[in-house]
Amino acid sequence: AQTVTQSQPEMSVQEAETVTLSCTYDTSESDYYLFWYKQPPSRQMILVIRQEAYKQQNATENRFSVNFQKAAKSFSLKISDSQLGDAAMYFCAYPIRSGGGADGLTFGKGTHLIIQP
Amino acid sequence: GAVVSQHPSWVICKSGTSVKIECRSLDFQATTMFWYRQFPKQSLMLMATSNEGSKATYEQGVEKDKFLINHASLTLSTLTVTSAHPEDSSFYICSARVQPHYEQYFGPGTRLTVT
Repeated sequence: AQTVTQSQPEMSVQEAETVTLSCTYDTSESDYYLFWYKQPPSRQMILVIRQEAYKQQNATENRFSVNFQKAAKSFSLKISDSQLGDAAMYFCAYPIRSGGGADGLTFGKGTHLIIQP
Repeated sequence: GAVVSQHPSWVICKSGTSVKIECRSLDFQATTMFWYRQFPKQSLMLMATSNEGSKATYEQGVEKDKFLINHASLTLSTLTVTSAHPEDSSFYICSARVQPHYEQYFGPGTRLTVT
């Protein structure tokens, strides 16, 4: 079974600074997708960013970027210029079986991100 | 675009009764929807994959007779918790894949409390 590990239960960052959330995963697949989702207090899951393993270029979405290290099976999320609205639980996710897009997701345990004003 | 709704947002039922939760894709068609369960301060756990026009696929350890899933149309999947017990109290979240892309969009969730 695929596993996703987030080793940081909680992270704190000053507003306007940069923070990196860690994620490692285990898979024997060579082509797959990886996702970061955000869950604010409303509990609505929001897609933050997606990475396709066959693409060597790291994905970027405005202030959010990833550091994808395929050989190390590492997929960290960098948030630049942190804002109060970024405060949430962040979950790293991997398709539960083959890594393909048709699968449901397996999630890490999450990292609670606190933004200090 | 890619909006998924759930109804109800919160339901309280008595032990032994059944409750139905609806998941709708509002602005797209979804041949595949997914149901997750989230306990307080925990991560999401995939319960089942709902396929339009066919039987749902359940994850190991999920009782298919207790959690009935029906995907009757390209925009609606329902989860019925039968003979609910207090241990079924949880937050249930559905999602839908937006083809041809691979990301999933999530509904706002349904909080189930069984008394």
